[in-house]
Amino acid sequence: SAVISQKPSRDICQRGTSLTIQCQVDSQVTMMFWYRQQPGQSLTLIATANQGSEATYESGFVIDKFPISRPNLTFSTLTVSNMSPEDSSIYLCSVTGQVDYEQYFGPGTRLTVT
Amino acid sequence: GENVEQHPSTLSVQEGDSAVIKCTYSDSASNYFPWYKQELGKGPQLIIDIRSNVGEKKDQRIAVTLNKTAKHFSLHITETQPEDSAVYFCAAGPTGNQFYFGTGTSLTVIP
Repeated sequence: SAVISQKPSRDICQRGTSLTIQCQVDSQVTMMFWYRQQPGQSLTLIATANQGSEATYESGFVIDKFPISRPNLTFSTLTVSNMSPEDSSIYLCSVTGQVDYEQYFGPGTRLTVT
Repeated sequence: GENVEQHPSTLSVQEGDSAVIKCTYSDSASNYFPWYKQELGKGPQLIIDIRSNVGEKKDQRIAVTLNKTAKHFSLHITETQPEDSAVYFCAAGPTGNQFYFGTGTSLTVIP
């Protein structure tokens, strides 16, 4: 399985500001994903981070709000822009492993917007 | 799209007893069904998975069963221990690159 780290692990931000979350994987992976987990809720896919091209966003998520970069096969960033209290969530980076479909998650970034 | 339902939402068992969590899915094309354990303050951890060509899979105290006809799959934990206390998520897919997650089961093992 891949070892995934995320920075920051948690942050408290003010309304209207932006936060960039970093995801680093210890090996090259094809697929990287960003999920949101609202308090006490399940996981919702925000987007697939594509290396060398624009991310693929799921319904309800747009690039202007959640810009994503993926400059190489081990690193990605997610920015939460113009934050509001409704953006308070855990943001999770995920990758697929060597075996088809197996998906591994990072420790998450706990974001609180005040 | 896929719809995954998970029951129960909360489950309390005495240490040493068994725990069962059930999920149903809607898309007959789904062929991979993982289970994740999420401890407080951590990301989900893959604990076991099953593919559609298999009916049952076991790993020590954890087992998963799949009934493709009925579109349901279950997680079984035997001889539960306090460290099994966590939130468990099932998932089904993929549809494209996406997996659909259940709403989670908060398991408490009472010493």
